[in-house]
Amino acid sequence: GAVVSQHPSWVICKSGTSVKIECRSLDFQATTMFWYRQFPKQSLMLMATSNEGSKATYEQGVEKDKFLINHASLTLSTLTVTSAHPEDSSFYICSARGTSGSANTGELFFGEGSRLTVL
Amino acid sequence: TQLLEQSPQFLSIQEGENLTVYCNSSSVFSSLQWYRQEPGEGPVLLVTVVTGGEVKKLKRLTFQFGDARKDSSLHITAAQPGDTGLYLCAISGGGADGLTFGKGTHLIIQP
Repeated sequence: GAVVSQHPSWVICKSGTSVKIECRSLDFQATTMFWYRQFPKQSLMLMATSNEGSKATYEQGVEKDKFLINHASLTLSTLTVTSAHPEDSSFYICSARGTSGSANTGELFFGEGSRLTVL
Repeated sequence: TQLLEQSPQFLSIQEGENLTVYCNSSSVFSSLQWYRQEPGEGPVLLVTVVTGGEVKKLKRLTFQFGDARKDSSLHITAAQPGDTGLYLCAISGGGADGLTFGKGTHLIIQP
């Protein structure tokens, strides 16, 4: 099946610094990628939709200036958490929708997730 | 209002028992997915159901889509410790929309 890879798997940073998380589709082109956030013992919450070559669409309540998303190619989207604070500590997961096949039934392929801890 | 209601939220049973997890909504869906997520990993797609009344089997897992396409269930027969995880149902908003997930069912199978 399709593979989506995230990097880094986990990161620890100091409060006030910025952290970049990468999401790559390894064996297919992804015109659309999605970023989710998951707090402990909770479900995944959609943060934003990343579209190749255009601006990301953010869900209500998600600060676009704090969570910068760039989708510069068909295989890579990045999420940058700017001026991170302890409340930003979470599990960030990306998913990718292919340009055919998987897009027909709403199936998405998920990355392994990136755990961010802000001290 | 939560679009997808999952129940139970937590379930801990002994190995060998059967269990059913439910996903309900007041809305009609064109399709619904079930995912399983282990700690520290991304969710993995188990199945997609599309047709009302559809039943799909994946080894000891049986998935059913309600006739009205408003609800779904996941039944596990003879649960094993390896079935432990977070089970999530999800629906797509259509087009480029990402998935909307239910709150999930945390399942623990004790040996």
